[in-house]
Amino acid sequence: DAGVTQSPTHLIKTRGQHVTLRCSPISGHKSVSWYQQVLGQGPQFIFQYYEKEERGRGNFPDRFSARQFPNYSSELNVNALLLGDSALYLCASSEEPQGAFGYTFGSGTRLTVV
Amino acid sequence: GEDVEQSLFLSVREGDSSVINCTYTDSSSTYLYWYKQEPGAGLQLLTYIFSNMDMKQDQRLTVLLNKKDKHLSLRIADTQTGDSAIYFCAENPYYNNNDMRFGAGTRLTVKP
Repeated sequence: DAGVTQSPTHLIKTRGQHVTLRCSPISGHKSVSWYQQVLGQGPQFIFQYYEKEERGRGNFPDRFSARQFPNYSSELNVNALLLGDSALYLCASSEEPQGAFGYTFGSGTRLTVV
Repeated sequence: GEDVEQSLFLSVREGDSSVINCTYTDSSSTYLYWYKQEPGAGLQLLTYIFSNMDMKQDQRLTVLLNKKDKHLSLRIADTQTGDSAIYFCAENPYYNNNDMRFGAGTRLTVKP
């Protein structure tokens, strides 16, 4: 079975541009969460979606938005990119929203803003 | 704000035991986790423990939970060079924001 898949794996963007990151959860998982991991730090929670509805939002500016599709895949959008948005963006999925038994993470999208 | 805290580095010899410690923030956290991250990869769930447990053992891994001190530890028995990675402690307060809070990670280096 495929795990959580994310695309693209690497991306280089210029300040001010917009980026869309994509995630496909494990088959049967209805919850998708997004995390930002800056080099040398632990992941920081951005969003969680369950059954296409936003269930949680972390402390990130409105430049960050996300959505979940009927097939439970998800997109993370970031507008007006800043240098500080350079990070590894991780997607995680679980069967239920609380992730009681832990989330399964994808390998991430490495975003570099220049 | 409050942070999940971990020591940043740990170095051990192959075959020794490794103990990675973590202090979490929320006494109401119901679920606590250990994740492993190898270079260039995502996070791999190693094990989890519910707050109504004091200890959990899974092959070479032993998790100890001290709820009074909000302290979590991960012991790796017979540490191997393949265990070299960054280990993250995480808590899930299980209220409606549904976020997991991670520590900064402990980089474990296993020397042959």
